[in-house]
Amino acid sequence: RKEVEQDPGPFNVPEGATVAFNCTYSNSASQSFFWYRQDCRKEPKLLMSVYSSGNEDGRFTAQLNRASQYISLLIRDSKLSDSATYLCVVTLGVNDYKLSFGAGTTVTVRA
Amino acid sequence: EAGVTQFPSHSVIEKGQTVTLRCDPISGHDNLYWYRRVMGKEIKFLLHFVKESKQDESGMPNNRFLAERTGGTYSTLKVQPAELEDSGVYFCASSQESRYSEQFFGPGTRLTVL
Repeated sequence: RKEVEQDPGPFNVPEGATVAFNCTYSNSASQSFFWYRQDCRKEPKLLMSVYSSGNEDGRFTAQLNRASQYISLLIRDSKLSDSATYLCVVTLGVNDYKLSFGAGTTVTVRA
Repeated sequence: EAGVTQFPSHSVIEKGQTVTLRCDPISGHDNLYWYRRVMGKEIKFLLHFVKESKQDESGMPNNRFLAERTGGTYSTLKVQPAELEDSGVYFCASSQESRYSEQFFGPGTRLTVL
């Protein structure tokens, strides 16, 4: 079983729409949670950390459900520039630095 | 401030040859990581340096891979001899001292083994 699983998409949405997707993680001891964004043939970049209480950063909202072991990302008022692959990332242990990545969810925002 | 840099950006070699990838982390970052993404798969952790010491090399696939970070600055990842399944994108990342610090990724080296 993969450590982090994501719906690969693609999610094709019009500008201004709301899009949401989840990822699940297998290890209940996972400690830290993130969403990274990766543009085509570029490096991953941190979009936001995900906190237990949920958090917002502008048009982006992340939620964590430890009981069901999933993380969600919601994008409101989608922009063309939001088109990218969104990577769900976790760290597995208290003293763990290494990141475990999902395969990514592709979002395409059309005009 | 300069980001993480990697060299070369692309490398095409034949099976059995040797390739060395280089990573220059952000200045002052003690933590340096190597990750790779093979075709159709997720990005996978290879190893983690703290300064010049290997903190975690649990992701290194086999002994054909050798990573070094002499002097605790730049790092090299050597693959010898390269096999077809080594093809992929090799990313380097660096972070400051806390395990909660953001990892900044370099642009990657795209390795193709023919």
